[in-house]
Amino acid sequence: DIQMTQSPSSLSASIGDRVTITCQASHDISNYLDWFQQKPGKAPKLLIYDASHLERGVPLRFSGSGSGTDFTLTISSLQPEDIATYYCQQYRRFPYTFGQGTKLDLK
Amino acid sequence: QVQLQQSGPGVVKPSQTLSLTCGISGDSVSSGTVAWHWIRQSPSRGLEWLGRTYFRSKWFAEYAESVESRITINADTAKNQFSLQLSSVTPDDTAVYFCARTPPGGPLDFWGQGSPVTVSP
Repeated sequence: DIQMTQSPSSLSASIGDRVTITCQASHDISNYLDWFQQKPGKAPKLLIYDASHLERGVPLRFSGSGSGTDFTLTISSLQPEDIATYYCQQYRRFPYTFGQGTKLDLK
Repeated sequence: QVQLQQSGPGVVKPSQTLSLTCGISGDSVSSGTVAWHWIRQSPSRGLEWLGRTYFRSKWFAEYAESVESRITINADTAKNQFSLQLSSVTPDDTAVYFCARTPPGGPLDFWGQGSPVTVSP
């Protein structure tokens, strides 16, 4: 199975901060990576697919980059509604696998 | 807009079979281009993909090795839904279960609301 490792596991930031979360795959997954946002009691919400494509309706402050094994999710200016847990996930090979999550809260 | 609506019991006894259903609106379970998945989430396992079914002239199903001997994912074309059955459950199967869709070669783009399931006597 392809292992997905996110860092950090938790992160405190202030409104307006630039926030960066990284995800590393144990094998080359090309650009078959997406990013999800999950709020308590809700299903994960797709933010970014194919490593860098913004899902329709997602604010432009979210962006993704990377290919191969190293990926980044960036929030350019943190807003209160961005407080959530973020997950990366690869869909290059089955079984699909997820990172362990990055919990983002307010400083 | 695709919507997935999950249903099923919230408590299952150990050794019994967990059964959940995912109703689809805005798409067809027998679409020849998409796939339908089950994923679960627990504090101990995180997000874990369980399996998928899809129709490409005939029905296919693929499962995670961790549950392969106990899982069945079926489609019901008449009701436009698909289901998860997980047999011989133990407390380790306690989790929130999600259904989801993928377009061709794409990400898990639409998800159900989640079904908390507790395995308890």
